[in-house]
Amino acid sequence: AQKITQTQPGMFVQEKEAVTLDCTYDTSDPSYGLFWYKQPSSGEMIFLIYQGSYDQQNATEGRYSLNFQKARKSANLVISASQLGDSAMYFCAMTPGPGAAGNKLTFGGGTRVLVKP
Amino acid sequence: GAVVSQHPSWVICKSGTSVKIECRSLDFQATTMFWYRQFPKQSLMLMATSNEGSKATYEQGVEKDKFLINHASLTLSTLTVTSAHPEDSSFYICSARGTGVANTEAFFGQGTRLTVV
Repeated sequence: AQKITQTQPGMFVQEKEAVTLDCTYDTSDPSYGLFWYKQPSSGEMIFLIYQGSYDQQNATEGRYSLNFQKARKSANLVISASQLGDSAMYFCAMTPGPGAAGNKLTFGGGTRVLVKP
Repeated sequence: GAVVSQHPSWVICKSGTSVKIECRSLDFQATTMFWYRQFPKQSLMLMATSNEGSKATYEQGVEKDKFLINHASLTLSTLTVTSAHPEDSSFYICSARGTGVANTEAFFGQGTRLTVV
């Protein structure tokens, strides 16, 4: 069984500053995929970034980067230069095996981020 | 990215009635669809996985006779909440994977907010 833990239920961040959202995971699968999603108040799930367990480099997508530390089983999300529109709920998730193809996502409890002007 | 359309976005129904939620893949063939439920301020919990043309696989604790899932075509899956009760009030969201789309992202619908009165 897979388990995702997000220890920060909520946090404030000043506009234009960087913020790190913590995510730790537990799995016995030899390969897996790690994801971060953003959920604004409208409810839609917005894909942010993906990291495969065998990827050598940390994933980056624009202002989002994933700090993947395999030995520590952590996959923290870093948002640089925070914007007011970044205020939302953020979920870390994982799948057994690479990618999301055919595999169900297991979600963490989420972290609510509020960006202050 | 690929587009998944979910309808309706919100619905209010009377206790004891049934509600159908549709999830459509607009520009790819969805071989597998996942249905999630999200209670307020909580994470997404997988309810079931459906593959086109076969019976859905339900997660432990999810009543298959209450949450009927049909995946009759490669572009449409439906979730019917039968004899709905107030405790079924929740946010329901689908996601899809399929042929011809990236396997490093799960494509989500917009979600359906169900309120049973």
